[in-house]
Amino acid sequence: DADVTQTPRNRITKTGKRIMLECSQTKGHDRMYWYRQDPGLGLQLIYYSFDVKDINKGEISDGYSVSRQAQAKFSLSLESAIPNQTALYFCATSGTVGPGELFFGEGSRLTVL
Amino acid sequence: QKEVEQDPGPLSVPEGAIVSLNCTYSNSAFQYFMWYRQYSRKGPELLMYTYSSGNKEDGRFTAQVDKSSKYISLFIRDSQPSDSATYLCALGSGANNLFFGTGTRLTVIP
Repeated sequence: DADVTQTPRNRITKTGKRIMLECSQTKGHDRMYWYRQDPGLGLQLIYYSFDVKDINKGEISDGYSVSRQAQAKFSLSLESAIPNQTALYFCATSGTVGPGELFFGEGSRLTVL
Repeated sequence: QKEVEQDPGPLSVPEGAIVSLNCTYSNSAFQYFMWYRQYSRKGPELLMYTYSSGNKEDGRFTAQVDKSSKYISLFIRDSQPSDSATYLCALGSGANNLFFGTGTRLTVIP
């Protein structure tokens, strides 16, 4: 089984719908991240969490919210999806203080029609 | 101006060639320099990590950092078809976030 698991792997939805992407990890890491990947833009940080009680906005948090339900679970929500949120979303974890190795899930491809 | 600039390619080379991938950056506060490899339909995985100027070797891969020119490179010797992937540079400072390049797609032709 993968160390960082994302569900769903693929999702097609309509404008205005609420969507939740879920991430769970078995690495025992405190730090978890949500990134968005778009062609030509690379990976952009949406939100990150250093422990269950800590949530921080990243570069592009508008239109997104997160919940850290447990050390191992970090979910990303789009309250009212719009077409320009069509992208590949990655959850990642890190076990180090400061910039260190990120362990990524396999991604969730979201299409908003 | 983006924090990190990376030529998106695509780059296509014959098997056995030496590959050079590059990133430039503008923020002199960056102290940590990484290269991630991303296969199609997979998440990125760390390939090389360095935090000093100079070269770091790991098998067929060499990471090079020139802080004075704000330029980092990844060299792949004796490239193999299995090296076909997208390569992303990532830079970090004393803060906790990494800034990623846009990625260079590499294809190694048998």
